[in-house]
This record gives sequence, C-alpha cells and structure tokens, in this order.
Amino acid sequence: NAGVMQNPRHLVRRRGQEARLRCSPMKGHSHVYWYRQLPEEGLKFMVYLQKENIIDESGMPKERFSAEFPKEGPSILRIQQVVRGDSAAYFCASSSGGPNQPQHFGDGTRLSIL
Amino acid sequence: DAKTTQPPSMDCAEGRAANLPCNHSTISGNEYVYWYRQIHSQGPQYIIHGLKNNETNEMASLIITEDRKSSTLILPHATLRDTAVYYCIVRSYGGATNKLIFGTGTLLAVQP
Repeated sequence: NAGVMQNPRHLVRRRGQEARLRCSPMKGHSHVYWYRQLPEEGLKFMVYLQKENIIDESGMPKERFSAEFPKEGPSILRIQQVVRGDSAAYFCASSSGGPNQPQHFGDGTRLSIL
Repeated sequence: DAKTTQPPSMDCAEGRAANLPCNHSTISGNEYVYWYRQIHSQGPQYIIHGLKNNETNEMASLIITEDRKSSTLILPHATLRDTAVYYCIVRSYGGATNKLIFGTGTLLAVQP
C-alpha cells in the first residue's frame, strides 16, 4: 500500500500522559498536513509542514501540541499532558506540494483519553 | 470558515446518478474547487478537483458553472458503498498555506 500510513490506529492514554502520533507520507510527497476531527464535528486543520520546516501552524493549540517532520522518518504530532478534550480522530495528509496537487489522507489515529 | 454551502443530506437510489450541488459564490480567480468524501469516519478520500473547466475521472464528474459560483459533483452510477459525507472545498492556488477548510458537507445516502 503506497498510501499515507498512520500509526497507531488507536491510542489510549490517561490524563496527563503524552501522546505521539506518527505519519508516513506517500512516496514522493514532502508536504504533510495534520487535521483533527472531534466527535460529531468536521475536520479542522492543525498544521502544515515541509521537510524540517513548519509552514503554517495556525490551527495548532498554543500549548501542549507540537509537530515535526524531520529529514528522515515520519512526521510526529505530539500532545503533552493530555486532557479529555483531546479525544478525537487525528488525520494526516500528504501532497507533492506543487500547485494543483491534491492532499491524500491516511486512515487516522483515534485517540482516547481515560 | 468554509467558503462553500452544501445541502446537509441527499438520498439517491442505487444505480442512479447522484448529483451533489455546491455553492461557492465568493470564489476567487485563483481558487480551485475540490471534492472529498468521508466514509464512516475513515480518512477523507480525494475525488476530483477543477478550476473552471469540467473534469472527469474514474470516480466522478465535476461540472463548474461558467461564472464559477457553483458546481455539481456527479457520481454516474451510485452504489451502496458511495454512502458517505461529501465535502466541497475551495482551495487557493499556491501561496504559503495549502490547508483545506472543511464545512459540514452533504451526507449522501444511497438506497437499495
């Protein structure tokens, strides 16, 4: 499967723990996007990264959330000191970044906070 | 906020064409119309996009009005597996941000 790979598919954490969500983009894609979907709500943009750079983080909460896309390896969305309100589906998308190029999504990570 | 307006829900009989409308009256000249769908909380699936010409691929056709203020996604022969929430999104060409802004979409229910 050459699509966007996200892991884990399901993640359970207790309040106060850290959550790390991983995203491997499609082959040849160097642009990664993270979106969050709260229960019964639509998808909301969080952050847009290119290799080693954050391009747009206008949708990221100011505290506890961070994202990276290192030169080697997957993109990581990190949530520190998780709270119940962080329970959501987190989707990653990738694109080649060129104009007129669609984003392709992974199947998401379902994060549950106990 | 999303720059598109879609009906909240539609029904379609299996085997018939599904025509999903979208209004984007404030679209700018450098904005594309994109369509995605989300089947039962899976990741959104890219369907098709266009700028001003009509487009067709193996999944669907996209008809954009001449003034570009509205468009229609056509699934020519709907099946039960096409039941999903369909999102119409306008997206700027180029620029520093490539984010997609999802609205509430249209829930298409294909009936047997």
